[in-house]
Amino acid sequence: DAEITQSPRHKITETGRQVTLACHQTWNHNNMFWYRQDLGHGLRLIHYSYGVQDTNKGEVSDGYSVSRSNTEDLPLTLESAASSQTSVYFCASSESRGQGTYEQYFGPGTRLTVT
Amino acid sequence: QKEVEQNSGPLSVPEGAIASLNCTYSDRVSQSFFWYRQYSGKSPELIMSIYSNGDKEDGRFTAQLNKASQYVSLLIRDSQPSDSATYLCAALGGTSYGKLTFGQGTILTVHP
Repeated sequence: DAEITQSPRHKITETGRQVTLACHQTWNHNNMFWYRQDLGHGLRLIHYSYGVQDTNKGEVSDGYSVSRSNTEDLPLTLESAASSQTSVYFCASSESRGQGTYEQYFGPGTRLTVT
Repeated sequence: QKEVEQNSGPLSVPEGAIASLNCTYSDRVSQSFFWYRQYSGKSPELIMSIYSNGDKEDGRFTAQLNKASQYVSLLIRDSQPSDSATYLCAALGGTSYGKLTFGQGTILTVHP
């Protein structure tokens, strides 16, 4: 069955370190998204991609970067981790199927703690 | 006005009752609408999508869209304790290809 996976599921890192969170989908979807979810803020979009070599900034992109070298993967990198980046991170993917349908499917999430 | 707004709740209903969850949206997001269910500690799970005015039924769930009044709702009939979760309303932006805007979510508790 097609799926979307994230790794690691839990990560503890120190302030200032570079961290990369992996996202892999086997839906063959063109669109991939990274969100963070914090109490009181809901889901906020960090970065997104519409296809290979395409990346775009979301509403909370500062301190994060992504790259898209193939259809299946969109890794999220925290260049220099800060305590404010402690959060739960979700990856999602979607494909347009006409009539503006863009149903997004989410991965299981990564809980990141920056100490 | 926020692009997507939900009643923050929490909403508590007895088992077997109808749970009604509501969401309003601005002109900036007006194409397709989605309802996600999120259990505590889990990821959002898509349960309903609706693209045109009217009702859409799937089992115990009914999504309703009224574009004139700019609201979308989710009804859960015969609510069960297993329906207790946070429900997220999401809307597709008019000019934002593929991007969803989420509401803050409504916490639903179904008590036996």
